[in-house]
Amino acid sequence: DQQVKQNSPSLSVQEGRISILNCDYTNSMFDYFLWYKKYPAEGPTFLISISSIKDKNEDGRFTVFLNKSAKHLSLHIVPSQPGDSAVYFCAASISNFGNEKLTFGTGTRLTIIP
Amino acid sequence: GAVVSQHPSWVICKSGTSVKIECRSLDFQATTMFWYRQFPKQSLMLMATSNEGSKATYEQGVEKDKFLINHASLTLSTLTVTSAHPEDSSFYICSASQGSSGANVLTFGAGSRLTVL
Repeated sequence: DQQVKQNSPSLSVQEGRISILNCDYTNSMFDYFLWYKKYPAEGPTFLISISSIKDKNEDGRFTVFLNKSAKHLSLHIVPSQPGDSAVYFCAASISNFGNEKLTFGTGTRLTIIP
Repeated sequence: GAVVSQHPSWVICKSGTSVKIECRSLDFQATTMFWYRQFPKQSLMLMATSNEGSKATYEQGVEKDKFLINHASLTLSTLTVTSAHPEDSSFYICSASQGSSGANVLTFGAGSRLTVL
């Protein structure tokens, strides 16, 4: 039972344009969501997060949007840069059970075309 | 920044043997470490939560006698895959908590790819 889904395994975007990565979840108890970025041969690194009390969180070029009614979140990267090429994982947690226990999506490989 | 080292990064073993994977926090003390498994084209699945000095808590469906976890110090947790079989071939990755609450302070290792022949 895949509770967190990233339906696009890959995405290619021109440098300078906006990259939009999508994530859907099924468990309505999830109330904290995170995006991780992973380069080859490295572990995932935390990128940005959002609590369910918000619908948007912005950090520089990265913005995460949360639509609770649709159980959907998205990560926007603008402008996209070649260094953004990586695999992006969406993750969710239930804060009452400890925010550190994460349920991950399958990842989206983002390629930024120079 | 915080660094977690995993060793070995890849290992090939014969069916029936046991394999130990180490997860070390290099510049911080990790009270809690997490072990995940990722099969091809699937997501990272939490296997167990490891707390220093106590028994690990395993997720449903994960055999504790098959996947032995030891967290003997604040900087080291080990995962031993006992009597490995080809179906145990997977990518195993650990993460470590620096003690503050919140998943954004988790640091992940680079992972260990296990291939069982």
